[in-house]
Amino acid sequence: GAGVSQSPSNKVTEKGKDVELRCDPISGHTALYWYRQSLGQGLEFLIYFQGNSAPDKSGLPSDRFSAERTGGSVSTLTIQRTQQEDSAVYLCASSRDRGYEQYFGPGTRLTVT
Amino acid sequence: DQQVKQNSPSLSVQEGRISILNCDYTNSMFDYFLWYKKYPAEGPTFLISISSIKDKNEDGRFTVFLNKSAKHLSLHIVPSQPGDSAVYFCAAKGNTGFQKLVFGTGTRLLVSP
Repeated sequence: GAGVSQSPSNKVTEKGKDVELRCDPISGHTALYWYRQSLGQGLEFLIYFQGNSAPDKSGLPSDRFSAERTGGSVSTLTIQRTQQEDSAVYLCASSRDRGYEQYFGPGTRLTVT
Repeated sequence: DQQVKQNSPSLSVQEGRISILNCDYTNSMFDYFLWYKKYPAEGPTFLISISSIKDKNEDGRFTVFLNKSAKHLSLHIVPSQPGDSAVYFCAAKGNTGFQKLVFGTGTRLLVSP
């Protein structure tokens, strides 16, 4: 399929460990977004990449969260020293440009025990 | 503060009847609104959008109405089908530069045969 893919689909980790979540956007999409959805909440914006521009990190909840996008394609979201409140579904989306509709991946369900 | 609000967490409708999902927003800078549909274990799927220069946009069985003065929008599904059963998220954004999508908490729609 040509949609947004994310891996892993599920991740269980112990509190204090680091995790990496991966996103493969739709080919040719220049914009990439990370969101998270905690239980009973809406989608919360985390970070946005657009081409070669500096990412908009305004949604990252703490300095334990970071993301990079290599070669303008694949992105990795890293959470260091995970906490139980980090448990959520992490969703990646991409779009042709910043103004267009976003296409979402299936998400990674992160559980911190 | 919740800038986009979906005050009904759930809605049950019979097949063939109309489903009306409501969304309110507080930020007057929002001028583009979207509805996403989400099935379990899948990412949200774009459904329909509306610009603030319009008050109605229709696509098949789906119509979105925007009342800017009331800062309210609604999604109408007519006729409702069991396959429409999903969680529906309202989202809003501005149109200058990058404006993140701000999502509501979602309404779970159940369409019964």
